[in-house]
Amino acid sequence: GENVEQHPSTLSVQEGDSAVIKCTYSDSASNYFPWYKQELGKRPQLIIDIRSNVGEKKDQRIAVTLNKTAKHFSLHITETQPEDSAVYFCAARVTSGTYKYIFGTGTRLKVLA
Amino acid sequence: DADVTQTPRNRITKTGKRIMLECSQTKGHDRMYWYRQDPGLGLRLIYYSFDVKDINKGEISDGYSVSRQAQAKFSLSLESAIPNQTALYFCATSEPTRTGEQFFGPGTRLTVL
Repeated sequence: GENVEQHPSTLSVQEGDSAVIKCTYSDSASNYFPWYKQELGKRPQLIIDIRSNVGEKKDQRIAVTLNKTAKHFSLHITETQPEDSAVYFCAARVTSGTYKYIFGTGTRLKVLA
Repeated sequence: DADVTQTPRNRITKTGKRIMLECSQTKGHDRMYWYRQDPGLGLRLIYYSFDVKDINKGEISDGYSVSRQAQAKFSLSLESAIPNQTALYFCATSEPTRTGEQFFGPGTRLTVL
């Protein structure tokens, strides 16, 4: 069935270092890959997304890369700051007859000052 | 601002009770979703709806039912609540376009004793 695996489940980095979170999806028909940030007690909010016809996308300190052949996509955060501390979720949108989203299990990022 | 709202925000109930969680949106989106969030398990899809007459089961629909009363309203019911339905529940909407971004409500924290 459709599945998205996300690693690591927790990640601690020093302020100013980079953080990388990786996801693997199973359904080759997936064509849209969003990343959400969820702060404590808040709702998930989209921070960046990428479509299947693009290999990389950047937005200031955040970038996402996609390898369709390997069915991998990754979130890269550079120059991390304490306010980057949150839970991050990847997702893949399945398009085979439906438009539902399969989420990864989340990564808790802690940026140590 | 157009938004997604959920009521109640918190609910404590007892085993066997019937519970309804409500979701309303002013974004004008046709697509609406109900997710359940448990620690370490990410966001799991319960039900989704692409219009008033289109309701679909997600990966964990057992023990839940939904009603799409109007384009803007999508309710989730637990007919006979059980303790393992204790979780954080999110409603979300999305546009039927290539962007695919989902917008989440603030969540309902449900505790079943």
